[in-house]
Amino acid sequence: EVQLVESGGGLVQPGRSLRLSCAASGFTFDDYAIHWVRQPPGKGLEWVSGLSWNRHTIDYADSVTGRFTISRDNAKNSLYLQMNSLRPEDTALYYCAKVTGVPGGYYFDYWGQGTLVTVSS
Amino acid sequence: EIVMTQSPATLSVSPGERATLSCRASQSVSSNLAWYQQKPGQAPRLLIYAASTRATGIPARFSGSGSGTDFTLTISSLQSEDFAVYYCQQYNNWPRLTFGGGTKVEIK
Repeated sequence: EVQLVESGGGLVQPGRSLRLSCAASGFTFDDYAIHWVRQPPGKGLEWVSGLSWNRHTIDYADSVTGRFTISRDNAKNSLYLQMNSLRPEDTALYYCAKVTGVPGGYYFDYWGQGTLVTVSS
Repeated sequence: EIVMTQSPATLSVSPGERATLSCRASQSVSSNLAWYQQKPGQAPRLLIYAASTRATGIPARFSGSGSGTDFTLTISSLQSEDFAVYYCQQYNNWPRLTFGGGTKVEIK
């Protein structure tokens, strides 16, 4: 069974940092791209960042470029999101989501349950 | 960035009726479009990919159509479990993926 479990969320002051983790199981982690998607309370989904299986393809939403860094450790079946210079507008539930293995199929077939990040003084 | 616009924001439908949701892209995304369903307190679930292909386990009452810039998700006969928020997502502009703002399907 495919599982994605996020952790690392919490309450943090503006300007501070936080590191999110996503632990994967039930599939060959090395073979798939994994992304971060966030959802502010009561609002819609926003793509944040994505990283290919081999780390060769990486991108960020404009809203987080220069502040967030995505990485993965294939030996630990884990994805990370280092979030620096946090702002109140970064407050959201952060999901990690697995991209399908279908060639050209860059949509998400599995999602975690999310970890909540609250940026407030 | 490709902007995805969904309409309407809220759709009020009676159980058993048909629901038609729209998604428009600011530029062509070919057929590289997916639809997701999200219920309160749950993660999104993949419904449709490649604009019209149902994901594994998705009932036949869900259908998708369209290509280029205009897409439709149709739920032929709404069941109680279908009342939720639906999002479209383009994946033509890999790896920069974008979602629509969502359509909430509520009970009339």
